[in-house]
Amino acid sequence: DADVTQTPRNRITKTGKRIMLECSQTKGHDRMYWYRQDPGLGLRLIYYSFDVKDINKGEISDGYSVSRQAQAKFSLSLESAIPNQTALYFCATSGGVTYEQYFGPGTRLTVT
Amino acid sequence: AQSVTQLDSQVPVFEEAPVELRCNYSSSVSVYLFWYVQYPNQGLQLLLKYLSGSTLVKGINGFEAEFNKSQTSFHLRKPSVHISDTAEYFCAVSDRRDYKLSFGAGTTVTVRA
Repeated sequence: DADVTQTPRNRITKTGKRIMLECSQTKGHDRMYWYRQDPGLGLRLIYYSFDVKDINKGEISDGYSVSRQAQAKFSLSLESAIPNQTALYFCATSGGVTYEQYFGPGTRLTVT
Repeated sequence: AQSVTQLDSQVPVFEEAPVELRCNYSSSVSVYLFWYVQYPNQGLQLLLKYLSGSTLVKGINGFEAEFNKSQTSFHLRKPSVHISDTAEYFCAVSDRRDYKLSFGAGTTVTVRA
């Protein structure tokens, strides 16, 4: 089984709809991250959480919110989706004293 | 804050030929450096990392990278590529003050027979 899972894997939604992307991990890591990937822009950090009570904005948090329901679960919400939020979204985790991050398979979101 | 520049957005290469992917970073403090690979329709997978010690780092699948502090570079190389190396490659940096990574824009490697 995958260590970092994301649901759904693909989603098409309409402008103005609320949508939630979910991430779960079995690695026992404290730190979790949400990124979006756009062609030619690499990965950009949306939000990150270093433990259950710690939530921080990344470089592009406008239009997004997150919830850390447990150590193993970190959800990303788009309160009112817009077309320029069409992207590939990745969840990642890291733990201990290591800086490397472990990525989920991604969620491809299309907002029409 | 740190930033990462990947100097080539696309690199076409023939099978069994060598490849080099260039990465430069800027930071006012010491950094940790990473290369990740993203195969089609998959998440990112760590290829290799530089934390300290030897500036030549070996990773998985025959890749290696060299850290050059004076040139603030961390170029990735493979002496002989395979079709299966077709993927997007990302350079990333951490400034060691927190556990965040900054990523470059990515380099798409296409290996042709």
